[in-house]
Amino acid sequence: QSALTQPPSASGSPGQSVTISCTGTSSDVGSYHYVSWYQQYPGKAPKVMIYEVTKRPSGVPDRFSASKSGNTASLTVSGLQAEDEATYYCSSFAGNNNWLFGGGTNLTVL
Amino acid sequence: QVQLVQSGAEVKRPGSSVKVACKASGGTLSRLAFTWVRQAPGQGLEWMGGITPMFGTAKYAQKFQGRVTITADESTSTVYMEVTSLKSEDSAVYYCARDMTTWFDSWGQGTRVTVSS
Repeated sequence: QSALTQPPSASGSPGQSVTISCTGTSSDVGSYHYVSWYQQYPGKAPKVMIYEVTKRPSGVPDRFSASKSGNTASLTVSGLQAEDEATYYCSSFAGNNNWLFGGGTNLTVL
Repeated sequence: QVQLVQSGAEVKRPGSSVKVACKASGGTLSRLAFTWVRQAPGQGLEWMGGITPMFGTAKYAQKFQGRVTITADESTSTVYMEVTSLKSEDSAVYYCARDMTTWFDSWGQGTRVTVSS
């Protein structure tokens, strides 16, 4: 199975909103409510920001929100802050005990 | 809060094997599930497989079937991931993470494995 498709880069100015897409297929994103999003700083381990499509773990700012429509999931970061500059990965269950990740999106805060 | 601490960096020859350890604290191993994800230099994340120690059975991504073995030692609260027949393409940072069934929670700090002759 192929990785999920994300744009390689995204950017926005402080205070603005930016949305990152994650496109899969009807066998993964389109079939399961198990899409999650991870934030990764260079040289650090990933950190979950969103799970089960729209849920935020405790401690994640409510500036982070997400949704899903058909085979595409989206992560929106509102009120961009300098600390949001990182790489974001989406992940989806793909059935048969298999998980897929996206290729990652480098978010730049201008 | 479960914390995961991984073993140190490794340098291996092509064709050899590597076993990475992931020690859990803050929870009972048998009540947890774990997954392994790797990241090649400058690349994205790749799911390798996982284990639920209580059941003892591991699951693997098709790509790694037969070359990767994930085990758990409840006496030391440690999960292991072994890769055999190493190739240069296996050079990566390997992460363990707590598997919450529908997402991955606490992550280890990562273990860099370099395969070079």
